[in-house]
Amino acid sequence: AQSVTQLDSHVSVSEGTPVLLRCNYSSSYSPSLFWYVQHPNKGLQLLLKYTSAATLVKGINGFEAEFKKSETSFHLTKPSAHMSDAAEYFCVVSDRGRNAGNMLTFGGGTRLMVKP
Amino acid sequence: NAGVTQTPKFRVLKTGQSMTLLCAQDMNHEYMYWYRQDPGMGLRLIHYSVGEGTTAKGEVPDGYNVSRLKKQNFLLGLESAAPSQTSVYFCASIQSGAYYNEQFFGPGTRLTVL
Repeated sequence: AQSVTQLDSHVSVSEGTPVLLRCNYSSSYSPSLFWYVQHPNKGLQLLLKYTSAATLVKGINGFEAEFKKSETSFHLTKPSAHMSDAAEYFCVVSDRGRNAGNMLTFGGGTRLMVKP
Repeated sequence: NAGVTQTPKFRVLKTGQSMTLLCAQDMNHEYMYWYRQDPGMGLRLIHYSVGEGTTAKGEVPDGYNVSRLKKQNFLLGLESAAPSQTSVYFCASIQSGAYYNEQFFGPGTRLTVL
């Protein structure tokens, strides 16, 4: 079975300061991990994904995430927040051996607020 | 190339009414999915399809039916709407079942059941 826990439901940062959104996962097999972003009243957009290549993954808009197997974590970071980063972020796991339908398991989401 | 589109964008129903949500993708993707999004719960899978003419249940299938008569379309039906089905519904598609492929999402349908 696979599961995802996003440790913070809300994160507030000031513009120009670092962003850290935390994610822990559980998977029976070697997983793929994704971060998606959802801006208000919009669909989900892929930020980055880990698929068993490099453990440090770079995504769009300056975001990156590091896969740490020993800690079962896949935290999302950005060195300097912009106002446009305010959105909801979802950590998602896809378990290689789970099923033929490539079903995803979503975390509960983290709402990022950026203060001027 | 429109990607994944959903119609309608908004809908208000009364308890007991029925409706169909349409998802269309123009990327020739094999797999398609319907999710619902509720506050604090992320997205939960309702039904999915791994190809034209096939459907399967996801995590929360009760009260919903689906059909995939054409490869590019995936329909979600509510036969008798209930207030508990008030939610935002997202459709997604993916090229194949490879675990490393990301899903592409539509813009969502906001449904309110009174």
